[in-house]
Amino acid sequence: QKEVEQDPGPLSVPEGAIVSLNCTYSNSAFQYFMWYRQYSRKGPELLMYTYSSGNKEDGRFTAQVDKSSKYISLFIRDSQPSDSATYLCAMSATGGYQKVTFGTGTKLQVIP
Amino acid sequence: DGGITQSPKYLFRKEGQNVTLSCEQNLNHDAMYWYRQDPGQGLRLIYYSQIVNDFQKGDIAEGYSVSREKKESFPLTVTSAQKNPTAFYLCASRSAVKAFFGQGTRLTVV
Repeated sequence: QKEVEQDPGPLSVPEGAIVSLNCTYSNSAFQYFMWYRQYSRKGPELLMYTYSSGNKEDGRFTAQVDKSSKYISLFIRDSQPSDSATYLCAMSATGGYQKVTFGTGTKLQVIP
Repeated sequence: DGGITQSPKYLFRKEGQNVTLSCEQNLNHDAMYWYRQDPGQGLRLIYYSQIVNDFQKGDIAEGYSVSREKKESFPLTVTSAQKNPTAFYLCASRSAVKAFFGQGTRLTVV
């Protein structure tokens, strides 16, 4: 079983829809949770970062962490065609320069 | 501008040849990482370094080597022992929590 599981998609939605992207994990030591957006043939770009449980909002993006369920989510409101990309969840344990473990990524397509 | 620079963007390797991928950062981060990305497999960790002159193997280190002689630089050598090197290679550096990536090098065996 992988430490981090993420549905690869592809996920196709109409413009303006609310998108929900999710990851589950098995390592209870994970404390730091990140979401990256990756356009084709480019490096991943950090979108959101949260520590421990709770919600964090930044513009159209909301990240949620439920440590009791070992489940994290990224919501995108009013989705735009420019949001079409692969979204990667990532997480690491607390303390020091721990390695970062990534999900396999979900490919999202927003249709105009 | 602060960031991570990977070069070259595209690289072609002949069978039996060693090639070196460059990664430079000016973010003053101590930790640096090399990942390999293949379709459907996400990012897999090759090597990482937490400090100058020290580095650790990741999950798929066989056929790769690294050095960390300067804080800013973390080059990756793909050796002839790596039997399936065609992939997208990503370098990252990390503050205490957040990891930032370069734009990647696409390596192809010809």
